[in-house]
Amino acid sequence: RKEVEQDPGPFNVPEGATVAFNCTYSNSASQSFFWYRQDCRKEPKLLMSVYSSGNEDGRFTAQLNRASQYISLLIRDSKLSDSATYLCVVNIKAAGNKLTFGGGTRVLVKP
Amino acid sequence: ETGVTQTPRHLVMGMTNKKSLKCEQHLGHNAMYWYKQSAKKPLELMFVYNFKEQTENNSVPSRFSPECPNSSHLFLHLHTLQPEDSALYLCASSHTAGTNEKLFFGSGTQLSVL
Repeated sequence: RKEVEQDPGPFNVPEGATVAFNCTYSNSASQSFFWYRQDCRKEPKLLMSVYSSGNEDGRFTAQLNRASQYISLLIRDSKLSDSATYLCVVNIKAAGNKLTFGGGTRVLVKP
Repeated sequence: ETGVTQTPRHLVMGMTNKKSLKCEQHLGHNAMYWYKQSAKKPLELMFVYNFKEQTENNSVPSRFSPECPNSSHLFLHLHTLQPEDSALYLCASSHTAGTNEKLFFGSGTQLSVL
């Protein structure tokens, strides 16, 4: 089983719609979680950290489910500019705070 | 953004060539990283430098040789590469390795090995 697993997509989303997708992780010792965004042929950039209580940043909401070992990202009122690949990143403190990246979920927002 | 700068942006090399990738960060960070991103694969950590000292080598073949002369500069020396080494090579920096710090990435070098 992969350490960090994501549905590669693509998720085709009508503009203005809501889209949500998950990321599962295999190591229960994982302690920190992040979502990065990567545009086509560009570098990844931090979108948001994921906190135990869940957190929201504008149209983006991140949730953590430790019992089922997954995190989620929800995008409301999708914009064309939200089209990107969303990378799930997990930090395993027991492994020296090593960041492990998922393969990414591709989101395409269409007019 | 010019926080982390990588050169060249694109590189085509033969299997017998020797080339170097360069990374420079202007963020005052102490940790620098090399990642490899192959098509349809997750980012793979290659090397970590913290305060100029290599703290991680993620079982990378010796045909990849990193160099970190100071906390602001990082090189990846390439020699006798294989076609399967073709990928996007990303440099990143953070305040300090081994902490829960945000990574800042460079634009990457798209490498093609013929």
